[in-house]
Amino acid sequence: GEDVEQSLFLSVREGDSSVINCTYTDSSSTYLYWYKQEPGAGLQLLTYIFSNMDMKQDQRLTVLLNKKDKHLSLRIADTQTGDSAIYFCARISGGYNKLIFGAGTRLAVHP
Amino acid sequence: DGGITQSPKYLFRKEGQNVTLSCEQNLNHDAMYWYRQDPGQGLRLIYYSQIVNDFQKGDIAEGYSVSREKKESFPLTVTSAQKNPTAFYLCASTLGPSTDTQYFGPGTRLTVL
Repeated sequence: GEDVEQSLFLSVREGDSSVINCTYTDSSSTYLYWYKQEPGAGLQLLTYIFSNMDMKQDQRLTVLLNKKDKHLSLRIADTQTGDSAIYFCARISGGYNKLIFGAGTRLAVHP
Repeated sequence: DGGITQSPKYLFRKEGQNVTLSCEQNLNHDAMYWYRQDPGQGLRLIYYSQIVNDFQKGDIAEGYSVSREKKESFPLTVTSAQKNPTAFYLCASTLGPSTDTQYFGPGTRLTVL
């Protein structure tokens, strides 16, 4: 079964912050990723965090990692309509860089 | 302009036919991957290749085949043995087998008629 879990849907008002959450079961992953998928498109790498970090910030994106609780979150500040997409959390598994994905969180941004 | 290209964008197949999906990259990446995406699910690994002329099965390889004759190309064949092939197929690559970040192509949507 899946060992990366995400809530399936999030709705926010334009200009507000969005927080997308992810939990995982295997604490041995070295990297954890956030990808964005727009309708009918491939996955766009948004950001990643190394397992020895607690936080990473990149412009409007903030990633928080709680290793004790195996919890990863992605915060998008000042959410815009262009942020509407599906966001996937993923972790590395194994020596050949296999990615284990969550089911994705659909973010809907409304005026 | 470097990147990963997949073709065609949309593909329709009759039951019982084999079809081949193309994946090409000009990033000089060693490792390439094929994933399948179904609605409401995350991506699942079909096959991967860490180097030319070598590839391994992923989690859902049954009914699929691949080849890696050139570094820049990793075509996926969906055979008639794949019972439920309708899905979105994504190709990815990384610089090397120990380099973690995977970059994805735009995908091919396969529909079985």
